Amino acid sequence: GAVVSQHPSRVICKSGTSVKIECRSLDFQATTMFWYRQFPKQSLMLMATSNEGSKATYEQGVEKDKFLINHASLTLSTLTVTSAHPEDSSFYICSARDGGHEQYFGPGTRLTVT
Amino acid sequence: QKEVEQNSGPLSVPEGAIASLNCTYSDRGSQSFFWYRQYSGKSPELIMSIYSNGDKEDGRFTAQLNKASQYVSLLIRDSQPSDSATYLCAVNLSRGYNFNKFYFGSGTKLNVKP
Repeated sequence: GAVVSQHPSRVICKSGTSVKIECRSLDFQATTMFWYRQFPKQSLMLMATSNEGSKATYEQGVEKDKFLINHASLTLSTLTVTSAHPEDSSFYICSARDGGHEQYFGPGTRLTVT
Repeated sequence: QKEVEQNSGPLSVPEGAIASLNCTYSDRGSQSFFWYRQYSGKSPELIMSIYSNGDKEDGRFTAQLNKASQYVSLLIRDSQPSDSATYLCAVNLSRGYNFNKFYFGSGTKLNVKP
C-alpha cells in the first residue's frame, strides 16, 4: 500500500519551454501532496504544499507563478515549471499523505533544461 | 538553529555491525518522527515512524525517541552493504495549522563496508 507514482521519470527540455510533472497516489486518497526539489548532494527542499481543491501554499522564496501546482483530485497533483531555465534543472519529488501521520514519496522526476 | 539536526557523516561501519544514527529537533511540540532512507539518485523511502517515547522495532531497525531530550535515533542491526544510503530524519508537529509541516534533517550518509 501507499504507492505514489510520478510521470515522467526524466525529462529534457529547452530553455524557455514549460514542463508538467504528474504525481499520483495509486492506492489511497491523498488529502495533501507536497512538492520538493533536491539539487545534487543537497537536502530536500520543500517547495509547496497542496490540498485537494485548494490553492497551494508555497514556501518562502519559491515563485508561485513559475512553479504552478494544481491538486485537482484526491489522487492527482501536477507541477508545471513554466519558462524553464538551466538553473531549474533538478530532481523534483512529490509526496502524499492520506490524512494520517505518514508521508510517502514518489520516485522523482529528473529535469534537465538545456 | 535548524529545526532538525543530523550529523552529515559519512558514518562508516563494517558489515554485521550496529549502525547508530542520531537526530535532534528544536520544537518541543513535535509529535511525529520519521526515518527515511534515500539511495543515491532515488527518492526517500519511509522505513520507520515513531510517535511515543521509547523504542520501536521493525526487523533490523529500531527507532528510539526521547522527547525530554528532543532526540530520536535509528539503530540498524547486522548492517549490510545494501544499507549504505543517506538516512533522513523528519519531524512533524502533527496538530492544527502545523499538521502538514514536516521538517527534514539534511541526512546522514551511512557506508557499510563489506
